[in-house]
Amino acid sequence: DTAVSQTPKYLVTQMGNDKSIKCEQNLGHDTMYWYKQDSKKFLKIMFSYNNKELIINETVPNRFSPKSPDKAHLNLHINSLELGDSAVYFCASSQEASGNLEQFFGPGTRLTVL
Amino acid sequence: DAKTTQPNSMESNEEEPVHLPCNHSTISGTDYIHWYRQLPSQGPEYVIHGLTSNVNNRMASLAIAEDRKSSTLILHRATLRDAAVYYCILRIYNQGGKLIFGQGTELSVKP
Repeated sequence: DTAVSQTPKYLVTQMGNDKSIKCEQNLGHDTMYWYKQDSKKFLKIMFSYNNKELIINETVPNRFSPKSPDKAHLNLHINSLELGDSAVYFCASSQEASGNLEQFFGPGTRLTVL
Repeated sequence: DAKTTQPNSMESNEEEPVHLPCNHSTISGTDYIHWYRQLPSQGPEYVIHGLTSNVNNRMASLAIAEDRKSSTLILHRATLRDAAVYYCILRIYNQGGKLIFGQGTELSVKP
């Protein structure tokens, strides 16, 4: 059973388009995250949600809008895609945000903007 | 954000122990030391974490200096499957759970 799953695995699109990446966790965790890994392999937190509420927004442009319909899902919608949005996006989850519990990462979604 | 310093790369031979160092001289009293690794084309994977005392689990051991300004991740017997980028992260308690990744150490394992 996949603990944290993301769809799609690959996404190729044109500049200016709007796209969504979906994330689901079946671990019963309260907290979910989105991370971005750029071409230099640098991983950076984007958002964190706890019980469907936003708790971290790391100065991400407004074009990025996370949506959490329930605790098990955290989707990422990106408007007006730009070349610089090309990256691998990882979803993660943990039991809670305040503790020191491990985070479980998904397999990643490779987004390529042409 | 609290910073860590790691060597960019290290090499090891299969079946030998590996010691991956990390410096975190600006660590504060509530910062936990976490290690994650990222295998090629995969998401990061939790390895181990600790606060003050040395820690062991099925994957690795974590040795923390007495002043907590440095730590070492120990893989007791490296396998080819351990080739990955290893990240040493200071995680601040009650800061929303975010992980601040540095550049990590790319470990290659030779047969």
